[in-house]
Amino acid sequence: AQSVSQHNHHVILSEAASLELGCNYSYGGTVNLFWYVQYPGQHLQLLLKYFSGDPLVKGIKGFEAEFIKSKFSFNLRKPSVQWSDTAEYFCAVTPTGANNLFFGTGTRLTVIP
Amino acid sequence: DVKVTQSSRYLVKRTGEKVFLECVQDMDHENMFWYRQDPGLGLRLIYFSYDVKMKEKGDIPEGYSVSREKKERFSLILESASTNQTSMYLCASSLRGRSSNQPQHFGDGTRLSIL
Repeated sequence: AQSVSQHNHHVILSEAASLELGCNYSYGGTVNLFWYVQYPGQHLQLLLKYFSGDPLVKGIKGFEAEFIKSKFSFNLRKPSVQWSDTAEYFCAVTPTGANNLFFGTGTRLTVIP
Repeated sequence: DVKVTQSSRYLVKRTGEKVFLECVQDMDHENMFWYRQDPGLGLRLIYFSYDVKMKEKGDIPEGYSVSREKKERFSLILESASTNQTSMYLCASSLRGRSSNQPQHFGDGTRLSIL
């Protein structure tokens, strides 16, 4: 069965620090990859997505993610975090042709002003 | 902008009750989903539907059923609520893309407490 691993459960950073959140998946075929963000009290929103092409994808609010096929990874990065980035971040994977997403367990990011 | 509306933000029910959670989307999406979100477990798929009157079991369908009589509405039913069904329930919808490249759009969630 497919699985998505987010090894960091809670990350605490100071403002302006760099961020990298790990995401690994276990599916051997072609996949589509997503990062979603859930700000406190708000609904899940799409941050960025990868379907094909350039493995480095840019999303909203200065976030980017790199797909490394050989490592089955899709790590999320941001060079300089802000207090407003405090949220929970979910990696999600769907095999090409499927309609349902497989989510990781989420990483809670706390940014200290 | 896509709007996914869940009928209740908070709900409190008693053990054994039949509970209905309603979800409506306004973008003519084919796919609709119900998840539950629990701390440390992320989102787990309960059921999804890719068309009217069609449904597929997700990872944790036990104790739940669903109904999709109209394209815009997807209902989650707890046949006989139990305390272990206390959770945050999220509804989502998406277009049925050719290669599953359509992102899902989420509602605000229903926090359900079973006493």
